[in-house]
Amino acid sequence: DARVTQTPRDKVTEMGQEVTMRCQPILGHNTVFWYRQTMMQGLELLAYFRNRAPLDDSGMPKDRFSAEMPDATLATLKIQPSEPRDSAVYFCASGFGTNYGYTFGSGTRLTVV
Amino acid sequence: GDSVTQMEGPVTLSEEAFLTINCTYTATGYPSLFWYVQYPGEGLQLLLKATKADDKGSNKGFEATYRKETTSFHLEKGSVQVSDSAVYFCARGPTSGGSYIPTFGRGTSLIVHP
Repeated sequence: DARVTQTPRDKVTEMGQEVTMRCQPILGHNTVFWYRQTMMQGLELLAYFRNRAPLDDSGMPKDRFSAEMPDATLATLKIQPSEPRDSAVYFCASGFGTNYGYTFGSGTRLTVV
Repeated sequence: GDSVTQMEGPVTLSEEAFLTINCTYTATGYPSLFWYVQYPGEGLQLLLKATKADDKGSNKGFEATYRKETTSFHLEKGSVQVSDSAVYFCARGPTSGGSYIPTFGRGTSLIVHP
């Protein structure tokens, strides 16, 4: 089965450091999402790309977060500087069209100390 | 705005019991509807879907029927197993004329005891 690949799987970093998370969407999928999951907030949409163009990043703190798709095989989410409140699991998901659902990666568990 | 509401958990059942997890949605238009399952330490996995009214999605013994009149998509399974213990998310797909972003419910934790 095709998979969405996320790296790293786990990341522990100190407050103030830069964190970069990477995602390889499924080949042929034209939509990519970044979600953050916490116990308190549940799933929060951070960014949404269609055909590599950013369509929505309203859920993302603009001062420290940035999301890009330099090419069709790579999406990145960067936090600079990181803060303890950024500790969460970050998921990437990809899909095609509106009726087929989305495939999620296994997530990056970020801990900022 | 568009939203998805799930029953709060945890739902605790004994093995072989009947499962229902309620889900209702609001939307402009008629979106596709989905159930996802998340096992511990993993990402969400698509469990089943329905793309139009009265469609029934099914997979691994789970079923859900797209009810336009009640704007609901309740998840059911006739006999749960311990291995079904997970968090279940109801989701609404994008709609033309409405939000182009899919919306997820907050998730319902299912715990099945032997």
